[in-house]
Amino acid sequence: AQSVTQLDSQVPVFEEAPVELRCNYSSSVSVYLFWYVQYPNQGLQLLLKYLSGSTLVKGINGFEAEFNKSQTSFHLRKPSVHISDTAEYFCAVSDRSSGGGADGLTFGKGTHLIIQP
Amino acid sequence: DAGITQSPRHKVTETGTPVTLRCHQTENHRYMYWYRQDPGHGLRLIHYSYGVKDTDKGEVSDGYSVSRSKTEDFLLTLESATSSQTSVYFCAISDGLPNQPQHFGDGTRLSIL
Repeated sequence: AQSVTQLDSQVPVFEEAPVELRCNYSSSVSVYLFWYVQYPNQGLQLLLKYLSGSTLVKGINGFEAEFNKSQTSFHLRKPSVHISDTAEYFCAVSDRSSGGGADGLTFGKGTHLIIQP
Repeated sequence: DAGITQSPRHKVTETGTPVTLRCHQTENHRYMYWYRQDPGHGLRLIHYSYGVKDTDKGEVSDGYSVSRSKTEDFLLTLESATSSQTSVYFCAISDGLPNQPQHFGDGTRLSIL
């Protein structure tokens, strides 16, 4: 079984400042890692994913994340945020042995990113 | 957007009534999922399907049943709705390959009074 911990339920940041949203996971097997974004009253949209290879993964909208196996972390970063980045962000994992999420994703509880002007 | 349609988008009903939510896809993906989203809990898997008439339970399956008689449709049924099932329900689809992760519908907001 896997679990995902998003350490911050809310992160307020001033516009144009950098941000880091933290995600740690626990699993007895190798996993794939994902970050999704949810804008108000919408479904989830994939930001980026880590499958293998380079531990630094770049996604859409200027976001990137770094996989750290020793710390079992997959923190999301953006060097300069905009008002439009205000949303809920979810970290998720899937079991590699299941084919990458065929039996569903395990999500963290989410981090609400609040951009202040 | 991936071709996923959830219906209805909003529903208010009373405790004890049956409720069925529908997810329809036009992508011909093998896998379909139902999640519920609650404040402080993120998304939790209710049931999923890996083919027509092939389904399995997720983390929070009690009180829910599902059916998939066609590739494109995945139904979630609350046989006798309870207030604890008030939530936002999301359908997702996937072809099961890791480089093609799950795509989500826009959700159904269900209120049970």
